[in-house]
Amino acid sequence: DAKTTQPPSMDCAEGRAANLPCNHSTISGNEYVYWYRQIHSQGPQYIIHGLKNNETNEMASLIITEDRKSSTLILPHATLRDTAVYYCIVRNIQGAQKLVFGQGTRLTINP
Amino acid sequence: GAVVSQHPSWVICKSGTSVKIECRSLDFQATTMFWYRQFPKQSLMLMATSNEGSKATYEQGVEKDKFLINHASLTLSTLTVTSAHPEDSSFYICSALGPNTEAFFGQGTRLTVV
Repeated sequence: DAKTTQPPSMDCAEGRAANLPCNHSTISGNEYVYWYRQIHSQGPQYIIHGLKNNETNEMASLIITEDRKSSTLILPHATLRDTAVYYCIVRNIQGAQKLVFGQGTRLTINP
Repeated sequence: GAVVSQHPSWVICKSGTSVKIECRSLDFQATTMFWYRQFPKQSLMLMATSNEGSKATYEQGVEKDKFLINHASLTLSTLTVTSAHPEDSSFYICSALGPNTEAFFGQGTRLTVV
């Protein structure tokens, strides 16, 4: 079963920052937080991941709370092409290393 | 980033026939690959973990005799849907673990059984 909870849908205006929350209150010490997104009828695309420190790359920023029970994915300047389903996943990178998907957040970027 | 290729991207088959889907890691070796199934408007459901040179590990409720997985090389895993029926129609997606434990996904295969 997925170990994260996300809002089912969100809207954001084009050009604004999109902030997608995720709760993972049962995360364990050796589990990372991963974010993927899926544009309609395509395979998921990796966005970013982190353990406990905030992370930033060319696509997004990941803010993880100090207790690691929640995180926020930030798309700093959303474009129409960012419309997708965003999945927050906790993953143990040892052992089976499976990625188990929850229901995700359907983000719609409006012009 | 690393590239994972699935083939075919879509396939239509008759009920009762078998269909093979290929998943290739094009620029890295993947000892572990995963197979998912996704129905319309639903999330991805993990079907099985495919390990090179050994038997696949199936998730609970997935019939191993119906969904045959072969991972014969470090760059290729195949999923064969045997005796396909209309309820097997779905979007099948593979994922391969890269050298830094990142998971890279194929573009998916849409199977329609008529």
